[in-house]
Amino acid sequence: DSGVTQTPKHLITATGQRVTLRCSPRSGDLSVYWYQQSLDQGLQFLIHYYNGEERAKGNILERFSAQQFPDLHSELNLSSLELGDSALYFCASSLATGSTEAFFGQGTRLTVV
Amino acid sequence: EDQVTQSPEALRLQEGESSSLNCSYTVSGLRGLFWYRQDPGKGPEFLFTLYSAGEEKEKERLKATLTKKESFLHITAPKPEDSATYLCAVQALAGKSTFGDGTTLTVKP
Repeated sequence: DSGVTQTPKHLITATGQRVTLRCSPRSGDLSVYWYQQSLDQGLQFLIHYYNGEERAKGNILERFSAQQFPDLHSELNLSSLELGDSALYFCASSLATGSTEAFFGQGTRLTVV
Repeated sequence: EDQVTQSPEALRLQEGESSSLNCSYTVSGLRGLFWYRQDPGKGPEFLFTLYSAGEEKEKERLKATLTKKESFLHITAPKPEDSATYLCAVQALAGKSTFGDGTTLTVKP
């Protein structure tokens, strides 16, 4: 158990809908990272938050947004969902920003039908 | 654009047969290179971070090395429980991370 909690574990929704994925980092970790993993594209970095502030952005679509709250949990919002958004979404946390050991959650499997 | 290429895509070894996995990269200023292990249906598990060329790190049967263009993950006398997908990633100075597609290792008893 990495100490990073992601909910829900599985999510099935229809095209055009909006969903929110939640991540609770390890106790004491200030950085939260979001990744998307699909069969054809591997693990893709989406966004990084540190202590409530956005620090780096990857190939995150405009339909996707994220935030980190004062209690350090984070949410990833996905809207106007398309079939191609079906993937595993991982959250990871680390103590600081930069090149430090990151701990991944078990992921949320999103299926868009 | 930052790029990470891992080879081979798949590797099958007999128990005890040592080998190496390769990670070639191009990045606009390297902040760090990471190795992760991922089991099916689970999140990646952190193994190593390397920061500069010439650096080496070891953990049990695994040893990671780094040059200016590539990193190797050496597996000595592997066991079946070492079977997994091994992911390499680079983080640029600006903070963005790029992952390779991974090498799927199968170790047969």
